[in-house]
Amino acid sequence: DAGVIQSPRHEVTEMGQEVTLRCKPISGHNSLFWYRQTMMRGLELLIYFNNNVPIDDSGMPEDRFSAKMPNASFSTLKIQPSEPRDSAVYFCASRNEPGQGAYQPQHFGDGTRLSIL
Amino acid sequence: AQSVTQLGSHVSVSEGALVLLRCNYSSSVPPYLFWYVQYPNQGLQLLLKYTSAATLVKGINGFEAEFKKSETSFHLTKPSAHMSDAAEYFCAVSRNTGNQFYFGTGTSLTVIP
Repeated sequence: DAGVIQSPRHEVTEMGQEVTLRCKPISGHNSLFWYRQTMMRGLELLIYFNNNVPIDDSGMPEDRFSAKMPNASFSTLKIQPSEPRDSAVYFCASRNEPGQGAYQPQHFGDGTRLSIL
Repeated sequence: AQSVTQLGSHVSVSEGALVLLRCNYSSSVPPYLFWYVQYPNQGLQLLLKYTSAATLVKGINGFEAEFKKSETSFHLTKPSAHMSDAAEYFCAVSRNTGNQFYFGTGTSLTVIP
């Protein structure tokens, strides 16, 4: 079975540019998570979707960050304009949450390593 | 509030020695607990999960964890460390309410030849 697919795997761009990260969750999963990982701050939850609806975006750093999930098989995380401090590894994870589904694990993609120069 | 605490951000063991990575959770009700492993330049992979069926949970790669309600702990162990076990390990907790995960800060395991 295909896992969570993220693209691109690596992105290097100059500050001020728009960056778009993409995620395809596991088919049948109804929840999707975006995380950011840095050495300084560890793993941070940015936003959580359930059935394509953003449920919790309290972790989104600022208005420069936005995330969408237009359908069950695709999500994007956009940074505009990008800044050097946005450099990190961004992970997407998905999960199947049928009813009381807290026992279901999250499944992670391999991440996008983002470098803003 | 739901949280997990991983004691020791870095742990070093000799090859063949016991691995013990600590995780304590705070919860007013028994939660669901998970251990993940992250190898360099990869995403997090599920090692094992506790869902109240059995207190001793066996996972992949010879790892296991024991849920101890009296100690609010879910420590990860492996009898004999292998060089390939060198990685970052994360403990996570989930509850029915909110359907969210809470990850610990991670423990980096180094295996010394």
